[in-house]
Amino acid sequence: GAGVSQTPSNKVTEKGKYVELRCDPISGHTALYWYRQSLGQGPEFLIYFQGTGAADDSGLPNDRFFAVRPEGSVSTLKIQRTERGDSAVYLCASSLLAGGGYTGELFFGEGSRLTVL
Amino acid sequence: GENVEQHPSTLSVQEGDSAVIKCTYSDSASNYFPWYKQELGKRPQLIIDIRSNVGEKKDQRIAVTLNKTAKHFSLHITETQPEDSAVYFCAASPYNQGGKLIFGQGTELSVKP
Repeated sequence: GAGVSQTPSNKVTEKGKYVELRCDPISGHTALYWYRQSLGQGPEFLIYFQGTGAADDSGLPNDRFFAVRPEGSVSTLKIQRTERGDSAVYLCASSLLAGGGYTGELFFGEGSRLTVL
Repeated sequence: GENVEQHPSTLSVQEGDSAVIKCTYSDSASNYFPWYKQELGKRPQLIIDIRSNVGEKKDQRIAVTLNKTAKHFSLHITETQPEDSAVYFCAASPYNQGGKLIFGQGTELSVKP
């Protein structure tokens, strides 16, 4: 597609359940980012991929959160044993160029709204 | 790590007036400063950006200024229109950290007709 695609757009789950959120970046974009946005706040960095590898996962809040990008394109954010505090909009973004001190524009998806009951 | 502070958190102006939003950053090595506009329930979209080798950039009614010494940058919107109403986020990109952005807390701009 023309833009970053995220699925599902909405996910309601119960506390303690496992959740997967998917991101399909713009074709050809090598860098992929996950952010979390709580109501009334700015996007909070979680993890960044350059190709298949997680280049920076310093924003993941704890070991319940994990992300993969096995073929360097689609990425999945995985949350185990969900807690009510995990409720937020999870945004994915992709970028054509990154690294070497150069930052390209980040293109965001519409987000996946996660609600943990 | 980088920390970005943004103010005001809310801003209300009359149509046709100017609006100014200010941000400060902590990491002097940050070298890229974009501004994103986010309408309710929508994705953040880039409206303008500036790199550390430039002091000012303008695009029609929107301008951004950067003061590297003071570590602050500002968004200026002139001749505001009701469709400018949205939440605006500033961000800073720490040097050589893969292009990740650290965002401010956002400013909710309301333009009253």
